[in-house]
Amino acid sequence: AQSVTQLGSHVSVSEGALVLLRCNYSSSVPPYLFWYVQYPNQGLQLLLKYTSAATLVKGINGFEAEFKKSETSFHLTKPSAHMSDAAEYFCAVSGDTGTASKLTFGTGTRLQVTL
Amino acid sequence: ETGVTQTPRHLVMGMTNKKSLKCEQHLGHNAMYWYKQSAKKPLELMFVYNFKEQTENNSVPSRFSPECPNSSHLFLHLHTLQPEDSALYLCASSQELTSTGANVLTFGAGSRLTVL
Repeated sequence: AQSVTQLGSHVSVSEGALVLLRCNYSSSVPPYLFWYVQYPNQGLQLLLKYTSAATLVKGINGFEAEFKKSETSFHLTKPSAHMSDAAEYFCAVSGDTGTASKLTFGTGTRLQVTL
Repeated sequence: ETGVTQTPRHLVMGMTNKKSLKCEQHLGHNAMYWYKQSAKKPLELMFVYNFKEQTENNSVPSRFSPECPNSSHLFLHLHTLQPEDSALYLCASSQELTSTGANVLTFGAGSRLTVL
C-alpha cells in the first residue's frame, strides 16, 4: 500500500527565509508525487507534480521539489518565503497497482510566514 | 464560469434532515470525486465516478449517497448524518481515470458541513 508522511504539522518561517516542507512516501511501484496547496476557505490547488521525468520539478509561485528515490523523499522548497505563501500544503502519492485512481494524501503542513 | 463549483459553501443540518451537496465542473473532465476533509486527518477519498459510472466506493456509510447524472455534475445526498460527519466535503475532477496514477485533480472550494 502507498502512504505519505509529512514531517511537521506546522512550520513557521520569516518572510524572505527558505521554505522547506518535508514529505516521505512509500510505494511498491514507481510513484507519481504531487504537492497541493490549500489557501483559507479554498479547495486544493496543484503546485507541482513528479511523473518520472526530471527529478527536480518546478511548480507555480516559485516552489520546487526534488524526487530522491534513495531517500523516498519529495521535499518542497522555496528560496524566499512571501506572506502570501501562508497556507496548508499537502503531499500526495499515487501509482500503486489497483489504486491508480487514488491519491493518498499526507496530513498536511501549515506554513506560517512572519514579518 | 470555469473550474469546479460547489454549493452550498456552508450547510448546517440536524441529524434527521435530508440535504444534498452539489458539484459542477466546466472543464470538460470525465472523472469526478468526493473527498472528506476533517481536522488533523488526511483527505479521505469517498467516491469516484468515471464517465458517469461509479468506480469506487471507499467503504462509505450508506447515509452518504452519491449521484452523477452526467460528467459535469456530481451530488452527495445526505440523510440521518451523525455529528462526526461534520467536515469539509471537497469535490474534484480530472480528465479521466487512467491506468497510471498521473491524474491531476482540480478541486472545488468545498462545502463546510456541520451536523448538530
